Amino acid sequence: NAGVTQTPKFRILKIGQSMTLQCTQDMNHNYMYWYRQDPGMGLKLIYYSVGAGITDKGEVPNGYNVSRSTTEDFPLRLELAAPSQTSVYFCASSYHTSGEETQYFGPGTRLLVL
Amino acid sequence: AQSVSQHNHHVILSEAASLELGCNYSYGGTVNLFWYVQYPGQHLQLLLKYFSGDPLVKGIKGFEAEFIKSKFSFNLRKPSVQWSDTAEYFCAVMKIYGNKLVFGAGTILRVKS
Repeated sequence: NAGVTQTPKFRILKIGQSMTLQCTQDMNHNYMYWYRQDPGMGLKLIYYSVGAGITDKGEVPNGYNVSRSTTEDFPLRLELAAPSQTSVYFCASSYHTSGEETQYFGPGTRLLVL
Repeated sequence: AQSVSQHNHHVILSEAASLELGCNYSYGGTVNLFWYVQYPGQHLQLLLKYFSGDPLVKGIKGFEAEFIKSKFSFNLRKPSVQWSDTAEYFCAVMKIYGNKLVFGAGTILRVKS
């Protein structure tokens, strides 16, 4: 199993450009998550999904959109990139059952908005 | 809202020194607790987790953590650190049956050889 994979690894965007960060998991996990990591701030939840077709906002959703058309894929869309979205983005997945759940993380996408 | 507090943002130790990283959380109900580690340039990896049972949890690479419910704490320990333990360590908490993992700000550990 590859686990959680993310593409691209690194991207530079100009202000106002859009892009999609890809995330795929091959563990048949039902839950998937997007976080952003900023220095000294830990990880903040952007969006999550509890299954195909179901998504919900996390702590910092503004400026982002998600979709979940399949169990495996959970892309994150930035419509109008802003310098405040410069960050490292991590996707995670988990199998949610019986109150015990462990999230597994992808390698991250480093995004720089200039 | 839940919050997680990690007491030290930067810790510098010499090899063979003992390590204890503090973690406190604010939620009063039943929680699942985690420590993740992020080595330089890598993604987060699970170090250990607590769901229930023995409050002293052993993880990979000689790490352990103790859940003290009365203190809302889940401190990470290692008796003797190695240079390869240089990394950033994150404590995280999830309400039982919840779906949101709340992270602390992280502690950067640097081990001098």
